[in-house]
Amino acid sequence: EAQVTQNPRYLITVTGKKLTVTCSQNMNHEYMSWYRQDPGLGLRQIYYSMNVEVTDKGDVPEGYKVSRKEKRNFPLILESPSPNQTSLYFCASSLSTGTGFVTEAFFGQGTRLTVV
Amino acid sequence: GQQVMQIPQYQHVQEGEDFTTYCNSSTTLSNIQWYKQRPGGHPVFLIQLVKSGEVKKQKRLTFQFGEAKKNSSLHITATQTTDVGTYFCAGRPSGSARQLTFGSGTQLTVLP
Repeated sequence: EAQVTQNPRYLITVTGKKLTVTCSQNMNHEYMSWYRQDPGLGLRQIYYSMNVEVTDKGDVPEGYKVSRKEKRNFPLILESPSPNQTSLYFCASSLSTGTGFVTEAFFGQGTRLTVV
Repeated sequence: GQQVMQIPQYQHVQEGEDFTTYCNSSTTLSNIQWYKQRPGGHPVFLIQLVKSGEVKKQKRLTFQFGEAKKNSSLHITATQTTDVGTYFCAGRPSGSARQLTFGSGTQLTVLP
């Protein structure tokens, strides 16, 4: 079954304690991205990756890091989480054509993060 | 940077009534996508529009892409309780196929 898998689904952590949210897709998609969802603000892109070892900032990258060492995995790293990073996070993947055109996004189930 | 505005933010309708959500971009878009997110769920792709003036239908849902490729709409005819959820548009700026910008979404409630 084609899917995007995020872990964990729920996480409560303390300020400053490094954490990683994993994301894996089994569709051989080139394009992967991370979003955070906050009430009234929709989905805001944090980082995206056009392919292995190619990543770029989205609209709200501050406080986050990503890596793309393998095509299927795109982990989101919070080196020193703060309460304003409490949010619902989604990973997504898409097929990308040779010209860079990206098709529909497949989303993971989401990770609800609370930083206290 | 590119902004995608979506209105209304909330909409309550009686079952059987029609519903429309509008999406407006500050820049020309190469394409626009629509997603639906059920309560507690994740966004699920509905459709993509690419051509200026394009209209597509999926049963009771009608999607339009404006002539100037800066706005779009989703219209649902005769809503049902299964239509409940948040509808997002997402646009990709012309000349830049790299980034997808989502609107803030319209949360639809259907009263039985």
